[in-house]
Amino acid sequence: DAKTTQPPSMDCAEGRAANLPCNHSTISGNEYVYWYRQIHSQGPQYIIHGLKNNETNEMASLIITEDRKSSTLILPHATLRDTAVYYCIIYYNFNKFYFGSGTKLNVKP
Amino acid sequence: DAGVTQSPTHLIKTRGQQVTLRCSPKSGHDTVSWYQQALGQGPQFIFQYYEEEERQRGNFPDRFSGHQFPNYSSELNVNALLLGDSALYLCASSFGLAGQETQYFGPGTRLLVL
Repeated sequence: DAKTTQPPSMDCAEGRAANLPCNHSTISGNEYVYWYRQIHSQGPQYIIHGLKNNETNEMASLIITEDRKSSTLILPHATLRDTAVYYCIIYYNFNKFYFGSGTKLNVKP
Repeated sequence: DAGVTQSPTHLIKTRGQQVTLRCSPKSGHDTVSWYQQALGQGPQFIFQYYEEEERQRGNFPDRFSGHQFPNYSSELNVNALLLGDSALYLCASSFGLAGQETQYFGPGTRLLVL
C-alpha cells in the first residue's frame, strides 16, 4: 500500500485559508491523490482528487508538487463546519483505499 | 438521488454471535467496498465487491464475509464476534470503471460487542 504522512493536528482561524499538507514519497506515476474528510464519526466525505495537475472544485483546491511526492489541500475560507479529520489517500485502479491516521483540523472563531 | 444507505444504524451483540450489516449503493453505482473503523483510527479496508464477486480483500480473517446482490446492494457478515470487532462499519460505493473510482460513503453502522 502506498503510504502517506500527515500532521496529526492543525489549527486554523475562521475565515482564513487552511492548508493541509501530505507527503507521499512512494507514489507511482499512475496513482491518484484523493482527499476525504470525516466529521465527528459520520461517513467520510469526498473532497477532491488529482493525478498530476492542480485541481479546484467548489469545496477546495489541490496542489500537487511537480515530483508528485507531496500535495496540499487548501480550504480557501475555513468555517467552523470545516472542523474534521482530513485524510490524504493514494489510489490506483481498484486498489483498496488506505486511509492512514489523517489530520485533525480545528477551525477556531 | 439517494446516497449510500446502511442499516441498521446501531447494533449491540454479544461475543460469539453473528451479525449481518446491509448497504445500498448510490444510484448507478455497481461496486461496493466495506471498511472497519475502530475508535480514534482511520477506516481500514475489509473487501470490495464488483459483479457479485469479491474483487479485493484487506487483512481481515475469514470470519468477515460478504455478498453482493444483482441489484448491487451488499451485505457484510461477521461470525464468532469478538470484543475487538466493536467499531463503525462503513460502506462505500463507486463505478466499476477505471478512472471513475471515487468512493462515496454511507453513514455507517456502529456495532458494539459485549
